[in-house]
Amino acid sequence: LAKTTQPISMDSYEGQEVNITCSHNNIATNDYITWYQQFPSQGPRFIIQGYKTKVTNEVASLFIPADRKSSTLSLPRVSLSDTAVYYCLVGFDRGSTLGRLYFGRGTQLTVWP
Amino acid sequence: DTAVSQTPKYLVTQMGNDKSIKCEQNLGHDTMYWYKQDSKKFLKIMFSYNNKELIINETVPNRFSPKSPDKAHLNLHINSLELGDSAVYFCASSPEDRADNSPLHFGNGTRLTVT
Repeated sequence: LAKTTQPISMDSYEGQEVNITCSHNNIATNDYITWYQQFPSQGPRFIIQGYKTKVTNEVASLFIPADRKSSTLSLPRVSLSDTAVYYCLVGFDRGSTLGRLYFGRGTQLTVWP
Repeated sequence: DTAVSQTPKYLVTQMGNDKSIKCEQNLGHDTMYWYKQDSKKFLKIMFSYNNKELIINETVPNRFSPKSPDKAHLNLHINSLELGDSAVYFCASSPEDRADNSPLHFGNGTRLTVT
C-alpha cells in the first residue's frame, strides 16, 4: 500500500502561490495520484489527478517528478476561500482482493488576509 | 440536485443507544462507501459496497452494520454506541470499484456525538 506523507499544516497570504508536497515512496506502477480538498463541515471534493509529469485544470496544477515518489499540488494566487484541508491519495492496495482508499490526515492550509 | 446526501447532519445521543445514518446518491454510481473522520481530520475507510454487495470491511467493530437496500442507498446502523464512536461519518460513491481514476463523491457528513 502506497502510504503518503504530507505536512500537517501550512500558512499563506492572499495572492501567493502555495505548493503542498506529498511523499509516496512506495507508489506502484499503476497507481494514480489524486488530491482532494475539504472545507469545514463539508465532505472532501476531488480537485486534481495525475499519473506523471504535469496536470493542470482550472483549480490547481499537479507536478509529478519522473520517479513518482512525490507530488506537488500547486494553488496559484490563493484567496481566503482556499483555506481547507488538502488530502493526497495514492492508488490502491493491489495485493488484496479488496480495493482500499486511504486518505490519511491531510494538510490544513490557512490563508491569511 | 444534491449528488450524495446523508441524514441526519447532526446526531447527539447517549451511550448504549442504537442509531442509523442514511445515505443516498443520485449519480448512478455502482460503489458506495462509509468513512469515519476523527477530530484530527484523519479520514479512514470503514465499508464499501458495490452493487449492494459488501466488498470492503475494514477492522470495524461488529456494532457497525451497513445495509444497502439498492445500489443508490447505503445506510449505517450502529448498535450500543460508545464515546469513541463520536466522529464525523462521511458517505461517498464512485462509478466503479477499484478503478484507478474514478474520483470519490462525498456527502457533507454526519457529526455524531455520543455523551
